Amino acid sequence: NAGVTQTPKFQVLKTGQSMTLQCAQDMNHNSMYWYRQDPGMGLRLIYYSASEGTTDKGEVPNGYNVSRLNKREFSLRLESAAPSQTSVYFCASSAGTGVSPLHFGNGTRLTVT
Amino acid sequence: GENVEQHPSTLSVQEGDSAVIKCTYSDSASNYFPWYKQELGKRPQLIIDIRSNVGEKKDQRIAVTLNKTAKHFSLHITETQPEDSAVYFCAADSSASKIIFGSGTRLSIRP
Repeated sequence: NAGVTQTPKFQVLKTGQSMTLQCAQDMNHNSMYWYRQDPGMGLRLIYYSASEGTTDKGEVPNGYNVSRLNKREFSLRLESAAPSQTSVYFCASSAGTGVSPLHFGNGTRLTVT
Repeated sequence: GENVEQHPSTLSVQEGDSAVIKCTYSDSASNYFPWYKQELGKRPQLIIDIRSNVGEKKDQRIAVTLNKTAKHFSLHITETQPEDSAVYFCAADSSASKIIFGSGTRLSIRP
């Protein structure tokens, strides 16, 4: 089992460009999450999906959209990238909402110039 | 909204000594409190977790304590070793099923 797979691993964008970060899990988990990690700021929740067909905002949703394509896949879209979105993005999944451990992907390092 | 505060932000201890990291949370409905370890350039990985019906949990050199009345929980690492050097994050679930993280503690073990 691969666990949680994120693509791409690295990306450089110019301000105003758009892109989609892909995430897939093969553990049959119900819940999926997107976090961003900035130095000294810990992990901040962008969006999450408690189950297939539902998505909800986290702590810092502005500038992002998500799609829970099916049970396995949860994508994060930046419509018009800004330098403030330079960060490391982690996707995670868990068996259930709230009370199950998160399994993280390896992260996507995004730089917006 | 929900908030998790973590202290200290950096911690340096002598090899063999104990390290303690403390967190407080704001949502009284929180029931699940995991701790993650993140090595440089790697993804966070779960090291221990505790649920609200338990006051303490141990796993070898690692222990977590929970005080639901005071809304705080702590990570204790005994007999620290060089491989314990990393960033540690506490987290708590919320009534909306989100998992919110603290800002992290960078732990350094001095030889």
